[in-house]
Amino acid sequence: KQEVTQIPAALSVPEGENLVLNCSFTDSAIYNLQWFRQDPGKGLTSLLLIQSSQREQTSGRLNASLDKSSGRSTLYIAASQPGDSATYLCAVRPYTGNTDKLIFGTGTRLQVFP
Amino acid sequence: EAGVAQSPRYKIIEKRQSVAFWCNPISGHATLYWYQQILGQGPKLLIQFQNNGVVDDSQLPKDRFSAERLKGVDSTLKIQPAKLEDSAVYLCASSQAGGRNTEAFFGQGTRLTVV
Repeated sequence: KQEVTQIPAALSVPEGENLVLNCSFTDSAIYNLQWFRQDPGKGLTSLLLIQSSQREQTSGRLNASLDKSSGRSTLYIAASQPGDSATYLCAVRPYTGNTDKLIFGTGTRLQVFP
Repeated sequence: EAGVAQSPRYKIIEKRQSVAFWCNPISGHATLYWYQQILGQGPKLLIQFQNNGVVDDSQLPKDRFSAERLKGVDSTLKIQPAKLEDSAVYLCASSQAGGRNTEAFFGQGTRLTVV
């Protein structure tokens, strides 16, 4: 059974710091991994999608890496800003029959203070 | 490009009452998902549609939950009767056909409180 774990559960940093969020999954048989952002009371915003054949993806100040064999992904946020404060979720899409559902971690709640 | 639309945004009902949620996916997206997100947890899949057919409903509590996607576009999720433990955010998402290698896009969600 695929399980996704995110560490740390919460993180508070001063503005300007570079930071790393971690995601681990138990079964390497995945199609891809997706990172999302969730603001309080809101839905999920897709940040980055990494296919299983890729090692990393970049978008602006965000860089996500994937090491499928070790079951790990990291989301790197450069020069953090107060507007980055949100919960960050990672999700994997495992090989499971006909479905292509996402299996989510419980998220890392990030607070960036001025 | 319009995103995934959901309504209502919030709903408060008493236990044993019924409730329905509506979702309109991104135009052209054949795959539609309903996820349940309980406070402090990641979303969990309830049901997946491919066009108007069900692909996966293994986690849907079928004694009280039902969902349909008529004409392969809009979808409704219904709970009848609701229980206290159904309090959660219900998220609708969609992706293009062949969704395994494409991004899933989520709506704003409906926050349900059962009292």
